[in-house]
Amino acid sequence: DTGVSQDPRHKITKRGQNVTFRCDPISEHNRLYWYRQTLGQGPEFLTYFQNEAQLEKSRLLSDRFSAERPKGSFSTLEIQRTEQGDSAMYLCASSHRTGGFNEQFFGPGTRLTVL
Amino acid sequence: DAKTTQPTSMDCAEGRAANLPCNHSTISGNEYVYWYRQIHSQGPQYIIHGLKNNETNEMASLIITEDRKSSTLILPHATLRDTAVYYCIVRGGPGGSQGNLIFGKGTKLSVKP
Repeated sequence: DTGVSQDPRHKITKRGQNVTFRCDPISEHNRLYWYRQTLGQGPEFLTYFQNEAQLEKSRLLSDRFSAERPKGSFSTLEIQRTEQGDSAMYLCASSHRTGGFNEQFFGPGTRLTVL
Repeated sequence: DAKTTQPTSMDCAEGRAANLPCNHSTISGNEYVYWYRQIHSQGPQYIIHGLKNNETNEMASLIITEDRKSSTLILPHATLRDTAVYYCIVRGGPGGSQGNLIFGKGTKLSVKP
């Protein structure tokens, strides 16, 4: 399968713990996005990368959140000192910006539950 | 990016056309209309996009009114697998903005046998 993959698919953690999620985009896609989705809501943008550069961060991305894309390929999203309000589905998407339309391909998401 | 308004939910009989409306009365001249859908427990999936003209692909048709203040996504022969939440998104053109999508709550389409 050559789609966007995310790992783990599910994560249960206790409040105050740190968690890290991984996203592997479609090969050669230069843009990578992170979104968060809570129950009954549409996905909300968190941040995006073009190659290894993090070009935009939403105000939803508090200081406890950090994202990296060290070699312009896979990306990680870390949440430090998790809170119950962080419980959500974390979605990753990738696209290939060529100057034309850049359809975003989404992964299956990582569902985080903070107890 | 312009705001969109969609009905919360709709039902459609299997094999019939599903017509999903979207209002975007504040759309500006260089903003496109995009449609994505999200099947339960999956990530969103791109369907179609357009600027002014009606568009058709293998999944759906997009009808945009002449004043561009509203649009309709048409699934010509809905199947049970089309049951999903459908999102109408308005944002800057392909060569412009940074590309992040702003999702609303969408329309939950239920296709019934």
